[in-house]
Amino acid sequence: DSGVTQTPKHLITATGQRVTLRCSPRSGDLSVYWYQQSLDQGLQFLIQYYNGEERAKGNILERFSAQQFPDLHSELNLSSLELGDSALYFCASSVGSGLSRSYNSPLHFGNGTRLTVT
Amino acid sequence: DAKTTQPPSMDCAEGRAANLPCNHSTISGNEYVYWYRQIHSQGPQYIIHGLKNNETNEMASLIITEDRKSSTLILPHATLRDTAVYYCIAPSRDDKIIFGKGTRLHILP
Repeated sequence: DSGVTQTPKHLITATGQRVTLRCSPRSGDLSVYWYQQSLDQGLQFLIQYYNGEERAKGNILERFSAQQFPDLHSELNLSSLELGDSALYFCASSVGSGLSRSYNSPLHFGNGTRLTVT
Repeated sequence: DAKTTQPPSMDCAEGRAANLPCNHSTISGNEYVYWYRQIHSQGPQYIIHGLKNNETNEMASLIITEDRKSSTLILPHATLRDTAVYYCIAPSRDDKIIFGKGTRLHILP
């Protein structure tokens, strides 16, 4: 058990709809990362938050947004859903901010939310 | 990014040591090398990380070359449960933690 909790585990929705995925980081971790993994694809980095502030941004679509709340949990909002958004969405947390050049804080991943858009 | 290169797949006999290589020739002097694995569709699991010295924990050993341009993850006694995709990553200066395609390790009974 990584200590990172993601809800829901499964989500089935229709095209055009909006969903919210939730992530609770490990106790003491200040950073939250979101990744998307489509079928048989690699992990695509979406976005990172550190202590409530956006730290780094990947190839996140404009239809997607995220935030980290004062209690450090994070939500990923996906809107105007398309069939191609069907994927596993993983959240990870770490203690550090991820500021390299001396990055020394492993990521700990949740078990993901499987989103199916029909 | 400090780009990493890994073979797409490897086989290892059960009970033998699995040695997974990774090239990271553009890594900077104080950037760590991390290894994770992903079993089927589970969340990736942190294995080990290192900077310069070799590291060992209960899961694996990490051997980093002196010039830091490559490393090897060693699973000393591979079991069928070690079948997974193994990712070697070196976090970039712009703070994006990018996972490549990794190495798909097949443990053969």
